Amino acid sequence: GGIITQTPKFLIGQEGQKLTLKCQQNFNHDTMYWYRQDSGKGLRLIYYSITENDLQKGDLSEGYDASREKKSSFSLTVTSAQKNEMAVFLCASSITGTGGLAEQFFGPGTRLTVL
Amino acid sequence: GEQVEQRPPHLSVREGDSAFITCTYTDPNSYYFFWYKQEPGASLQLLMKVFSSTEINEGQGFTVLLNKKDKRLSLNLTAAHPGDSAAYFCAVSPYQGGRALIFGTGTTVSVSP
Repeated sequence: GGIITQTPKFLIGQEGQKLTLKCQQNFNHDTMYWYRQDSGKGLRLIYYSITENDLQKGDLSEGYDASREKKSSFSLTVTSAQKNEMAVFLCASSITGTGGLAEQFFGPGTRLTVL
Repeated sequence: GEQVEQRPPHLSVREGDSAFITCTYTDPNSYYFFWYKQEPGASLQLLMKVFSSTEINEGQGFTVLLNKKDKRLSLNLTAAHPGDSAAYFCAVSPYQGGRALIFGTGTTVSVSP
């Protein structure tokens, strides 16, 4: 088995601040994802990456940057935090090459609060 | 693009009762379907994945139904117990191997003793 680690668990920032969230996985999965979870809105995809140095935009990429530094890590940057940014950010990973069936494994989340 | 609607948003049942959650989707090319469970303060755990070619799947304490004609995916928690109290999310993926899942908005289930 493997595990996905997200740091920090809680992140408090000021409006306008640049904030970075980190994710590490030891599944040796090729594809990694960042989702935003808002209450009552389910999960929405921000960015995903199918391999090291690859980046693909999701539906919610505006206002965010991402970086896949190596296969095991994927970071997300909120470029300028806004008060409506408060949400839980979930990182996930999956094996590539199994088409749409690839199960995604999720990390514990980072809860962002913007003051 | 694909739209997934999940109902109801909240569900309260007594222990031993059934809890029924439904998702409807719009893309007829959707082929893979998933149900995830999220316990309070925890991350998402996969309950079941379903192919388009199968219609009924039974797990431990639950049944997943897929109606392709109506584009409807359902989760039935049979004989619910307090440990089933959690948020449940359906997710849909197209046959072409779209990397991202489209998630429903979630159902919060509360099971009282």
